[in-house]
Amino acid sequence: DGGITQSPKYLFRKEGQNVTLSCEQNLNHDAMYWYRQDPGQGLRLIYYSQIVNDFQKGDIAEGYSVSREKKESFPLTVTSAQKNPTAFYLCASSPGLPSYEQYFGPGTRLTVT
Amino acid sequence: AQKITQTQPGMFVQEKEAVTLDCTYDTSDPSYGLFWYKQPSSGEMIFLIYQGSYDQQNATEGRYSLNFQKARKSANLVISASQLGDSAMYFCAMREGRTGNQFYFGTGTSLTVIP
Repeated sequence: DGGITQSPKYLFRKEGQNVTLSCEQNLNHDAMYWYRQDPGQGLRLIYYSQIVNDFQKGDIAEGYSVSREKKESFPLTVTSAQKNPTAFYLCASSPGLPSYEQYFGPGTRLTVT
Repeated sequence: AQKITQTQPGMFVQEKEAVTLDCTYDTSDPSYGLFWYKQPSSGEMIFLIYQGSYDQQNATEGRYSLNFQKARKSANLVISASQLGDSAMYFCAMREGRTGNQFYFGTGTSLTVIP
C-alpha cells in the first residue's frame, strides 16, 4: 500500500534530550513537509523539502533540524533548543505540481517533561 | 497578511442539515489551488476537495462542494446532509503556482453535528 508512515505514534522524552521523529513515504513524491499542531490550533510549517538534499525553513524552524538524504525519508529532529516541544507533529508529502494535494501521515504526539 | 482566513472557530449543525464553512484567501498569483481537509479527533488529516484557480465549475465530491467566488477570493466548503461523523476540525489551504510546493493553512473551524 502506498502512503506515509510516521513512527512512533506517541513519544515521551525528558527535557534537554534531542529526539528524532521518523517520516517515510513510498508515493514517489518530490516534496515533503513537517508541521506542528498545538491543541485547538492550526498547522504551522516547520520545514519543507522540494528535492533530495535540499530543504527550506518554514515559519517555526527554530529548535528543529531536518535532513533529506533519500527521496523517501524526511526525519525531523526536535533539539533541546526548542522551548516548547510538546505538540502533535504531522508529516506530509506531495507531487511537485500545484494541482495536487498533500498526503498526510498519521502524526506523532510528542510529550516532553 | 494572512494567506488563508477562517473566521468561524466553531460551528454547530443539526444532523441532515447543510452547513457552510467559510474560507477567504489572499494571493496575487493567478495560478493557485484551494484545498479542504478534515481532521477528526484521531488527528489524521483527510483530503476532501480541490478547486483550481482556472476551474470554471465549482468542485463537488459527494456531499462536499466548494463555493468558489474568485472575485471575492472566497472558497467556502458546503457539506450537505450532515452526519454525526462529520464532527471534526476543517482546514482550508492554498497552494500558489509560483511557490509551487508550499501550502498555507487556515486556523480551522470546529464543526459539531447535533443529533
